[in-house]
Parts: sequence; structure tokens; C-alpha cells
Amino acid sequence: EAGVAQSPRYKIIEKRQSVAFWCNPISGHATLYWYQQILGQGPKLLIQFQNNGVVDDSQLPKDRFSAERLKGVDSTLKIQPAKLEDSAVYLCASSPQPSTDTQYFGPGTRLTVL
Amino acid sequence: GENVEQHPSTLSVQEGDSAVIKCTYSDSASNYFPWYKQELGKGPQLIIDIRSNVGEKKDQRIAVTLNKTAKHFSLHITETQPEDSAVYFCAASRGNQGGKLIFGQGTELSVKP
Repeated sequence: EAGVAQSPRYKIIEKRQSVAFWCNPISGHATLYWYQQILGQGPKLLIQFQNNGVVDDSQLPKDRFSAERLKGVDSTLKIQPAKLEDSAVYLCASSPQPSTDTQYFGPGTRLTVL
Repeated sequence: GENVEQHPSTLSVQEGDSAVIKCTYSDSASNYFPWYKQELGKGPQLIIDIRSNVGEKKDQRIAVTLNKTAKHFSLHITETQPEDSAVYFCAASRGNQGGKLIFGQGTELSVKP
């Protein structure tokens, strides 16, 4: 079974530029999560989707971050404009059912904002 | 708000020794407690998890214990090997009530041959 796929793996941009990350969850997984992991810290949830609906986006900085999950499969996370403090690894995870706890993580995208 | 504290932040052991990592959580409604291993440049990988109706769970060299009264849980790795070297994260959630994972700060484990 293929795991969670993410691209790109690395991205370097200058502040005030925009960037987008892509995630393809494990086939059939209904729930998709985006986490932000700052160096030396644990992942922090940004947004959770159930199929193509948002379940929790309480910690998403909505003035600059946006995310969508069209057709309930792939998802994109966008930052516009980026700030220096957005430098982090952005992790995507998925789980099979709404009532299933186990989350499977992708390799992440490392973003550096200069 | 919800919080998970993890200790120690770094841990160095000799190959063959045991390693113990401890976490405490603040949300008394938490009922699912996974542990993840993260190697350099990779995403977190689930290694073991425990639910609130169980006090202990073991999988080969890895075990997790849970004390719901004290709101803490621990990861135990026996007979450590160099390939166990990684960053380990504990997490807590309300499980199937749709709760998000709240992660600890991580423990960098180094196993010296």
C-alpha cells in the first residue's frame, strides 16, 4: 500500500512570496490533516478535513494560509504572503475513517523563508 | 488549553540498555495516546499506541504504560540498538470524538554502540 505522498520535498522562497504544497493521502482515507513542525518542536495541527469538508481549522492563520481538498482526495496548502516565521516542515497525514485514531504521515515539505 | 509535556528532551544510552521517555497531558478527556518515531528528513512513523481502557501494551522491545489518574504515560524501549536512534514524540487526543493530536516536544534518543 502506497503511503502519503507530498511534494515538493524542499522549497526556498523569500518573504512576501507565495508557496503551495501538495498532498496525496493513502487511497481510501477519508480524513486528511496538515501539520506545521517548527525545528525542535512537535507537529502542530493546522487544519483537518473530513472528505472535502473542514473539521478543524482553529489554528490556521487564515490571513495568510489557505487549504483545500477538492473531490475529497488530494489537498493543497498555500501560504501567501510568507513570513520568516513560516520556515518549518509541513506534514500531511491521513486516517481511514472519522472514528479511526491512527494517523499516517507523509515525508513532509521543508520550507525555508529568507 | 490542551498541552502535552515530554521529558527528557535528549537521552543517550549504551546499546543494550533500556530507555524510558515520559509524557504528561492536561486534557482529562484524552483517550488515545500514540508514540511516533521520526528519523532525520522523514515524517513521523507510528510505533505503538494505547487507549484509555488499557494500562499497558507491549510490542516486542517496545512497551507503553498509561496512568489515567495521574495523566501520564511512558514509552519503554528495552535492549536498545543503534537503529533506535531518532526523535520520539508522544501525543494525546480525544480519539474517535474527532480530537486532534496534541504532540509533546520530542525526545532525541541516541544509542551508542
